[in-house]
Amino acid sequence: AIRITQSPSSLSASTGDRVTITCRASQGISSYLAWYQQKPGKAPKLLIYAASTLQSGVPSRFSGSGSGTDFTLTISCLQSEDFATYYCQQYYSYPPSFGQGTKVEIK
Amino acid sequence: EVQLVESGGGLVQPGGSLRLSCAASGFTFSSYWMSWVRQAPGKGLEWVANIKQDGSEKYYVDSVKGRFTISRDNAKNSLYLQMNSLRAEDTAVYYCARSEAYCGGDCYSNWGQGTLVTVSS
Repeated sequence: AIRITQSPSSLSASTGDRVTITCRASQGISSYLAWYQQKPGKAPKLLIYAASTLQSGVPSRFSGSGSGTDFTLTISCLQSEDFATYYCQQYYSYPPSFGQGTKVEIK
Repeated sequence: EVQLVESGGGLVQPGGSLRLSCAASGFTFSSYWMSWVRQAPGKGLEWVANIKQDGSEKYYVDSVKGRFTISRDNAKNSLYLQMNSLRAEDTAVYYCARSEAYCGGDCYSNWGQGTLVTVSS
């Protein structure tokens, strides 16, 4: 099974900051990576798929990059509604697996 | 509007069984792979199982193989998860999710609200 290591596990940031979250796969997964945002008590929301394709309706301040084993989610200008937990997920091979999550908190 | 509504969660003793249901609406259910994803309290997301459009292919995470069975009824637009021999570590919110072909695989743009399964004596 492919292991996904996500970092950091948490970060504190201010509105307007640029935030970067990384995921590393234990083996190459091409571009079969998705990013989700989850707020407390809610289901995850798909932000990005195929490593860098923005899901319809997601603000352009979110972007994804990477291929192979190393991937990045960037929020260019953090907004108040972006404080949440973020997960990456590989879907290159079974079983699909998620990173441990990154909680983005208000500084 | 796509809607996925889970039901069937609750408190069950270790070794017991539970059947989760997911009622789908707002899309052609029979055209999509469907999945179950769970989240233990305060923990991350874990993919559990998925099933092909016609039910001919099913996949499971190792930790539930032989205990859980995913199924679907396309005539009723419903997805199911039969959970047997439940363990404390199966305690989680269980989400039903629709797989999106445009991802090129199993990514999920539509999720239910989740149903909580608690395994405890």
